[in-house]
Amino acid sequence: DQQVKQNSPSLSVQEGRISILNCDYTNSMFDYFLWYKKYPAEGPTFLISISSIKDKNEDGRFTVFLNKSAKHLSLHIVPSQPGDSAVYFCAARRETSGSRLTFGEGTQLTVNP
Amino acid sequence: KAGVTQTPRYLIKTRGQQVTLSCSPISGHRSVSWYQQTPGQGLQFLFEYFSETQRNKGNFPGRFSGRQFSNSRSEMNVSTLELGDSALYLCASSLLLTGSYGYTFGSGTRLTVV
Repeated sequence: DQQVKQNSPSLSVQEGRISILNCDYTNSMFDYFLWYKKYPAEGPTFLISISSIKDKNEDGRFTVFLNKSAKHLSLHIVPSQPGDSAVYFCAARRETSGSRLTFGEGTQLTVNP
Repeated sequence: KAGVTQTPRYLIKTRGQQVTLSCSPISGHRSVSWYQQTPGQGLQFLFEYFSETQRNKGNFPGRFSGRQFSNSRSEMNVSTLELGDSALYLCASSLLLTGSYGYTFGSGTRLTVV
């Protein structure tokens, strides 16, 4: 049972434009959501997170939106840069599950110069 | 400050053998979690340790085990290796059990079973 899904395995955008990565979840008990970026042969790097009590969180070029009624979150990157090219993972956590994160399958973002 | 250190970085083992991977968390972090990443599968949760106690376990067979020491360093062991165990094994550390202050991942150990 895939509780966190990223339906787009890949996304390609032009440098300077907006990148929008999407993530859906099914478990309404998730209360904290995170986005990670991963380069090959490296561990995931934390980007940004959002608590279920908020609907938006911004950090520089990165903004995460949460729509609890739709069980959907998205990561916006504006403007996109070639160095943003990586695999992006959406992850979710239940407070009662300690540090356990449930990850989506990842989306490969390619930003073309 | 040093990050999460995983050793070794690469490992090649034969089917049927066993393997032990090591993870040293960020200094002061008491929670260590382990994940397996295989192509197309994303990251799958293996187990989590806090203060030397296993707090959570994912859906993996008993061949996968782990432990945490008093200095918060953690090891995971896989016995009777199978070809399907070939994966990138990642550990993550956080300050608290709930990870409220964020999770930091190591670079992983790439295990190849032949």
